[in-house]
Amino acid sequence: KNEVEQSPQNLTAQEGEFITINCSYSVGISALHWLQQHPGGGIVSLFMLSSGKKKHGRLIATINIQEKHSSLHITASHPRDSAVYICAVTAGNQFYFGTGTSLTVIP
Amino acid sequence: DAGITQSPRYKITETGRQVTLMCHQTWSHSYMFWYRQDLGHGLRLIYYSAAADITDKGEVPDGYVVSRSKTENFPLTLESATRSQTSVYFCASSGGLAGPLGYEQYFGPGTRLTVT
Repeated sequence: KNEVEQSPQNLTAQEGEFITINCSYSVGISALHWLQQHPGGGIVSLFMLSSGKKKHGRLIATINIQEKHSSLHITASHPRDSAVYICAVTAGNQFYFGTGTSLTVIP
Repeated sequence: DAGITQSPRYKITETGRQVTLMCHQTWSHSYMFWYRQDLGHGLRLIYYSAAADITDKGEVPDGYVVSRSKTENFPLTLESATRSQTSVYFCASSGGLAGPLGYEQYFGPGTRLTVT
């Protein structure tokens, strides 16, 4: 069983489009993380949130604790946004990761 | 250099050999983590450490050994490597583990390990 499910698995968008990536989880959490993995393999943390909404530049992350669901939105997508986006949750002393959403933004 | 580093970046070893992957961080973060990343599984936690001399198992600890004698270092040892341990290994560090806001994790560049 997967504690964290992401959708879609793969996503192709035209430059400028609004993008949404979804994450559902099945465990009680203290925090949810969105990570970005670049084509070269490096992983960076984009957001960490436990309630509400956070915004950083063109990226917005929301979480609904009651529904156990989070979304990552990218406004005005750009080819440099092409990466794998990973949802992860902190549950007690464990971390659980989704398998990632591979995003390709075409110029 | 400041940050979190891993060595080696690439390693090929034979089945049955012992291999150690190194992780070093310069932030004095209390928590350090080892993950493996495989196609179809995403990232999975192998072991983590809350402080020097304190380690605990993650989701997939079998076949791995960790130690943490110094805060800045967290080596991962495969005592007798198997082909199923072929993977990309990521080390990460964090100022904490849980709490109302959680703690951001900082990832190393990864080590690609191939067991033949």
